[in-house]
Amino acid sequence: DAGVIQSPRHEVTEMGQEVTLRCKPISGHDYLFWYRQTMMRGLELLIYFNNNVPIDDSGMPEDRFSAKMPNASFSTLKIQPSEPRDSAVYFCASSFFLAGGPRGNEQFFGPGTRLTVL
Amino acid sequence: AQSVTQLDSHVSVSEGTPVLLRCNYSSSYSPSLFWYVQHPNKGLQLLLKYTSAATLVKGINGFEAEFKKSETSFHLTKPSAHMSDAAEYFCVVSESNNDMRFGAGTRLTVKP
Repeated sequence: DAGVIQSPRHEVTEMGQEVTLRCKPISGHDYLFWYRQTMMRGLELLIYFNNNVPIDDSGMPEDRFSAKMPNASFSTLKIQPSEPRDSAVYFCASSFFLAGGPRGNEQFFGPGTRLTVL
Repeated sequence: AQSVTQLDSHVSVSEGTPVLLRCNYSSSYSPSLFWYVQHPNKGLQLLLKYTSAATLVKGINGFEAEFKKSETSFHLTKPSAHMSDAAEYFCVVSESNNDMRFGAGTRLTVKP
């Protein structure tokens, strides 16, 4: 398996522009997570999906951020309009529910998208 | 709710000496615990995990961690550090599949 795939790996844009980050989870995984990592705040969970349905978006900073998962193999995180404070590395991760398994299963992370908003 | 504290933000060791990265957790249940490693400009990679089986867990690259319920600790160790171990390490606690709590991270520096 290729693992979690994210694109683009780097994105540089100007303030006010729309940014779309993409993620392809590992096949068969039913959970998908979006994280943001900054020096100041560390790793923050933005939103997660279960079976393509958004379950908890309480970590999304504000209405400028939106995420979708139209099918089991694709998700997007969109920022519109972007601001310099959105500059960060955005990670997508996926995992699967193991019936009868332990509490919590490991998440598999993509390589991240480094976003710079000028 | 669960939480995790990594006791050192930065650890520096010499190559060939032991590594100890400390982690304490808080949980109302019997949680799963993980250590992830992040090399510069890379994603997070799972080093090892504890899921209520053996308390001493062996991971990749010679790392291991011991779950100590009485001390609510899950410290990461390695007998002999290698230059390639220099990275950021995250301790994680999880009580359910959709809820992982990450520590703030420990940066490991390995001196030649």
